[in-house]
Amino acid sequence: SYELTQPPSVSVSPGQTARITCSGDALPKQYAYWYQQKPGQAPVLVIYKDSERPSGIPERFSGSSSGTTVTLTISGVQAEDEADYYCQSADSSGTYKFGGGTKLTVL
Amino acid sequence: EVQLVESGGGLVQPGGSLRLSCAASGFTFSSYDMHWVRQATGKGLEWVSAIGTAGDTYYPGSVKGRFTISRENAKNSLYLQMNSLRAGDTAVYYCARASGPQGGGMDVWGQGTTVTVSS
Repeated sequence: SYELTQPPSVSVSPGQTARITCSGDALPKQYAYWYQQKPGQAPVLVIYKDSERPSGIPERFSGSSSGTTVTLTISGVQAEDEADYYCQSADSSGTYKFGGGTKLTVL
Repeated sequence: EVQLVESGGGLVQPGGSLRLSCAASGFTFSSYDMHWVRQATGKGLEWVSAIGTAGDTYYPGSVKGRFTISRENAKNSLYLQMNSLRAGDTAVYYCARASGPQGGGMDVWGQGTTVTVSS
C-alpha cells in the first residue's frame, strides 16, 4: 500500500497564486488527478493526467509533476476557489488512493 | 446530460447489510469503468471499489470480503452490496465514472447517498 501526502491547509490572498502539493512514491510511475470539493457538494475533477485540464475548468488551474511530487497551482485565486482539494492516483494492481486533502482558504 | 444518481442509503445496525444503487444516464454506461468512493463526515475521500467494463473488480483491504461491486449494463446501473457493516463504514457514498482506462481518475460524480451504521 502506498500513501499520498498533502498539506492540511494552504492560505492565500485573492489574486495571489496557490500551490498545493501531493507526495507519493508511486507518482513517478502513475498519473495524478486533482479534485475540488466545496461544502455539501460532490468532488469535481479539475486536473487529470498530472497536468491536463478538463473542459469547463478555468485556465487558472494547472498541474505539474516532478519526481515523487505533483503540484496543483491556482493562479489569480478567486474567492470561489475556496474549497478542499484532493489528489488521487492508482497503483499497478488496480487500487486507488486519495491524499488526505488540503483546505484552501482565501483570505 | 451525463448524470449519476445514487440511492439505497439509510440507517442500518452494526453487522447488517445494505445495497446501494447508482443509475447512470447520458453516456454509454457499458463502456466505462466505475467506482464507489466514500466520505465520512468531516473526513477525506476514500476509494471503496472499482469495476471494469469486463466485470473485473477491485477493493482496498478495508472492505475486501465485506463489500461487492457489480453492474448491470442493460439497466445502466451500478451496485454496491455491503455486508457485515461497521460503525466505521458510516459515510456518504458516491458513485463515479472512470475518466479513462484502469489507473485513471474519475470525471463524473453523483451527489451521494448517506449510510449510517448505528444501533
